[in-house]
Amino acid sequence: EVQLVESGGGLVQPGGSLRLSCAVSGFTLSDHCMDWVRQAPGKGLEWVGRSRGKRYDYITQYAASVKGRFTISRDDSKRSLYLQMNSLNTEDTAVYYCVRGAYDTSRPDFWGQGNLVTVSS
Amino acid sequence: DIVMTQSPDSLAVSLGERATISCKSSYSVLSTASYKNSLVWYQQKPGQPPKLLIYWASTRESGVPDRFSGNGSRTDFTLTISSLQAEDVAVYYCQQHYSFPISFGQGTRLEIK
Repeated sequence: EVQLVESGGGLVQPGGSLRLSCAVSGFTLSDHCMDWVRQAPGKGLEWVGRSRGKRYDYITQYAASVKGRFTISRDDSKRSLYLQMNSLNTEDTAVYYCVRGAYDTSRPDFWGQGNLVTVSS
Repeated sequence: DIVMTQSPDSLAVSLGERATISCKSSYSVLSTASYKNSLVWYQQKPGQPPKLLIYWASTRESGVPDRFSGNGSRTDFTLTISSLQAEDVAVYYCQQHYSFPISFGQGTRLEIK
């Protein structure tokens, strides 16, 4: 059974840092691209970034709103995806989801339950 | 960047009636290599992650009731619920994964009339 479980969220002050983790099970992480998507309270969905799979040399891509502040990484041996978030501001307050891409394609096929990050003083 | 625009923003439909949501992209999301449209539809209920309904614009995800259908190509897409059920009350999103940055429509809130 495929599972994606996000963790690491919480309350952080503006300017601070936080690292989210997404623990995966039920599939081989290196075979899949993985996205982070966020949703601010009461708002729509916003793509944050992507980590491609081993076949594509784990290339990462980011939304303009987070580029230079957020970094996606993964440890396939630990079956985990990470989102390092630096220089956080109040606009980064959101539920963060990790999303799996279907095998050998870019299409999304499975979402985690999400993890709330609140940036506030 | 590809901009995804959904219409309407909100929709009220009677139980058993048809509901149709439109999604327009500012650029074609049709791959000439695969001849597939990189367009996905989701349903989201409060407090839950989005649920995948339709991928490649018209392929229904396993387990999704057949009253949900997706159509369209290139820049114009629709999600249709043929006979609205009470459990279909939700916000619906389209998403393109054809090019970066990946983008979503703003969402359409579906309610019972």
